[in-house]
Amino acid sequence: NAGVTQTPKFRVLKTGQSMTLLCAQDMNHEYMYWYRQDPGMGLRLIHYSVGEGTTAKGEVPDGYNVSRLKKQNFLLGLESAAPSQTSVYFCASSYWGQGTTEAFFGQGTRLTVV
Amino acid sequence: RKEVEQDPGPFNVPEGATVAFNCTYSNSASQSFFWYRQDCRKEPKLLMSVYSSGNEDGRFTAQLNRASQYISLLIRDSKLSDSATYLCVVASGGSNYKLTFGKGTLLTVNP
Repeated sequence: NAGVTQTPKFRVLKTGQSMTLLCAQDMNHEYMYWYRQDPGMGLRLIHYSVGEGTTAKGEVPDGYNVSRLKKQNFLLGLESAAPSQTSVYFCASSYWGQGTTEAFFGQGTRLTVV
Repeated sequence: RKEVEQDPGPFNVPEGATVAFNCTYSNSASQSFFWYRQDCRKEPKLLMSVYSSGNEDGRFTAQLNRASQYISLLIRDSKLSDSATYLCVVASGGSNYKLTFGKGTLLTVNP
């Protein structure tokens, strides 16, 4: 009963390092999303995907790249981490987005860039 | 104007109180509306969808006014376990369906 799984749960990076956050869902959802959550800012959409092989920019895409090579996986990459990218990152997935579609979230990745 | 705006809060209420959350959205073409709940340091989870006719789930009532682009959530007889952040969520975009979140309103229910 996995749902949406994010890897890793915690990470500390040095400025300039790179890393990839992995999101995996086992619900055969078409849509997947990456959000970041910062105090006082709420959840902000970084990138999203409406299906395998597609990606689109959200509200705050700069400094991030994504890939959706397989339907079940959505990867978020930081090529050169900056302290401003210190945040909690949430991945989510949902069915084809019509009607009252529920989005399911992973447990989050707490990233600190020093 | 931000896409989704909520009461900033925080709200502190005694057990048994009725509390109302308000939310406005700017995109008149928005398609679907939701309230999510987020407990401290946890992921958001769907509380309820919001329909034009209004809908109720136990102590929770959600209302949507498309003409005013306004969404509300009413919690009656609040419990300690209702303490959480409540997020207003709006879905839009047609085939590029995406969810936009409000900043959330923190509710603390006190004994």
